[in-house]
This record gives sequence, structure tokens and C-alpha cells, in this order.
Amino acid sequence: DQQVKQNSPSLSVQEGRISILNCDYTNSMFDYFLWYKKYPAEGPTFLISISSIKDKNEDGRFTVFLNKSAKHLSLHIVPSQPGDSAVYFCAASAGKLIFGTGTRLQVFP
Amino acid sequence: ETGVTQSPTHLIKTRGQQVTLRCSSQSGHNTVSWYQQALGQGPQFIFQYYREEENGRGNFPPRFSGLQFPNYSSELNVNALELDDSALYLCASSSGTSEPYEQYFGPGTRLTVT
Repeated sequence: DQQVKQNSPSLSVQEGRISILNCDYTNSMFDYFLWYKKYPAEGPTFLISISSIKDKNEDGRFTVFLNKSAKHLSLHIVPSQPGDSAVYFCAASAGKLIFGTGTRLQVFP
Repeated sequence: ETGVTQSPTHLIKTRGQQVTLRCSSQSGHNTVSWYQQALGQGPQFIFQYYREEENGRGNFPPRFSGLQFPNYSSELNVNALELDDSALYLCASSSGTSEPYEQYFGPGTRLTVT
């Protein structure tokens, strides 16, 4: 039973455009959500987080939106850059981190 | 400030053997969590140690065990290895167990069981 789902295994976006990565969850008890980025041969790197009491958090080019009624969150990257090409994991916190399966983002020139 | 380090980088073991993986946490961090990442999947929580005590466990059998040392480094031990244990094992350190918290991951140990 997967509590955190990333239904798009991959996404390809042109440099300068917006990248939107999506994540759905099933457990309404999650109180914190995080996004991690992972490059090959490296561990995941923390990117941005949002508390369940908020609906938006912004950090530079990265914005996370939370829709609690839909149990859905999204990560917006704008403008996208080639260096953003990586696997992005959504994670939810309920005492421990529960990760989605990841979305591979490719930003092409 | 040194980041999270893990050793070894790669390891090949035979089914039924035992393995020990090691993790050095980031300076100032007293909490270590271990994750298993199978191919094509996200990291799955194995367990967490806080000040040398187990502080939460995921859905893994008892043959997965761990230790945390006074310097907050940690070991993951897996007994009676099975083929399905082949995965990337990630260690993450953080400065506490209360949320919100950010976990800092090491590069992982790639374990192959044949």
C-alpha cells in the first residue's frame, strides 16, 4: 500500500520553462511534506518542505503547493535549468519519512 | 563541516551471508536513519537511532539490525542475506527527532546479493 505516489516516472522540459512535478498521498495524518533531489551516485539532497498547515512555500526558483482537500502537492521550478536534471522524490512525514517512487526530470536546452 | 559518509561504496555478498554497512553522520547531528532503495523505487525507512537508542522502525524483519555509537556514527547489519536485499542502502543524519527536520543523506552503499 503506497501512501505517497508520484505517478509520472519522467518529465522533459525545455530550459527556461516551468517544471511541475506532482505527488499524491493517502494519509491525512501526514504533517510535513518534503522534496528531495537526487543526482546519480549521490544521496538525495533536501530541496524544500511545507507544513500541512500551509498551502504554499517558496524558495527562490522552487515553490511547493499543498492541496489538502485533494491530498496533492506539487513542486514548481521556474525557470528550469539544465542543472535541475535529476530524480525528484516527494516525501511525507509521520514520525518517519515515506518517499514516493520519484520523477526523473530532464531539462534540455 | 564534513557531510554524511558511508562505507563501503559497493559490496557483493552471497545469499545467506551477513553484512555490515557503516555511516558517519554530519558534524553536530545526533540522529541517524537508514533507508533501503530498491531499483526504481523510493527510499524505504528501515530504522532510526537517536542518541544510541532505536527510535522507530519500518516494516523490516529482525535480521535487519543497527547500532549507533557515542560519536553518533552508525552501523546497519543484515543477517541471512536474501536476493531481495540487493539495493542501495542510504544513511541520513539530522539534528533531532522533532519535526520539522531535514535529513542529510550520504551517497549510499550499493549491495548486491548473488
